[in-house]
Amino acid sequence: EDQVTQSPEALRLQEGESSSLNCSYTVSGLRGLFWYRQDPGKGPEFLFTLYSAGEEKEKERLKATLTKKESFLHITAPKPEDSATYLCAGNFGNEKLTFGTGTRLTIIP
Amino acid sequence: GAVVSQHPSWVICKSGTSVKIECRSLDFQATTMFWYRQFPKQSLMLMATSNEGSKATYEQGVEKDKFLINHASLTLSTLTVTSAHPEDSSFYICSEGAPGTDTQYFGPGTRLTVL
Repeated sequence: EDQVTQSPEALRLQEGESSSLNCSYTVSGLRGLFWYRQDPGKGPEFLFTLYSAGEEKEKERLKATLTKKESFLHITAPKPEDSATYLCAGNFGNEKLTFGTGTRLTIIP
Repeated sequence: GAVVSQHPSWVICKSGTSVKIECRSLDFQATTMFWYRQFPKQSLMLMATSNEGSKATYEQGVEKDKFLINHASLTLSTLTVTSAHPEDSSFYICSEGAPGTDTQYFGPGTRLTVL
């Protein structure tokens, strides 16, 4: 069964304190790894897609990286508005996305 | 990215009634749309894949007679929760796949509360 596992479940950071979120996945068959941001009571907002090991993508304070068995979402000098739940999802070749349980990120001013 | 709308954004209904949720693609035609359910503090669980002009494909454990999906046009898919019960209370979210990619763009979600 295709699986995506995220850690930590929750993370509290001081404003400006950089850190990384982890997403590990079933190794076989991954066609794409996706990162989304979800605010409370809203649908997920697309951030990044990664397809091959070594690939990196950046957007403002966020950078996503991919290895052969996991992906990281690095957040640099976060601000309170970066507080949200960050979801990763894998496409294992059948159009469907398998989501992890998310990391709830809180940035304290 | 794609723009997807959902209506209503929230609905409260009595147990035993049916509720219809609409999902619209606002910027391009979507032959495939997806319906997810999300319980509080849990992740998204795919319920079904909706294909324009054909029957939806349901995930294991999802009752197709309870969650009716219609995708009659390239811009509209509907999910009807029939004979809703309190355990159906959840956040329902649709998504569409961007043409030529495997990226999904999500709607804002519909909060269903069954009393």
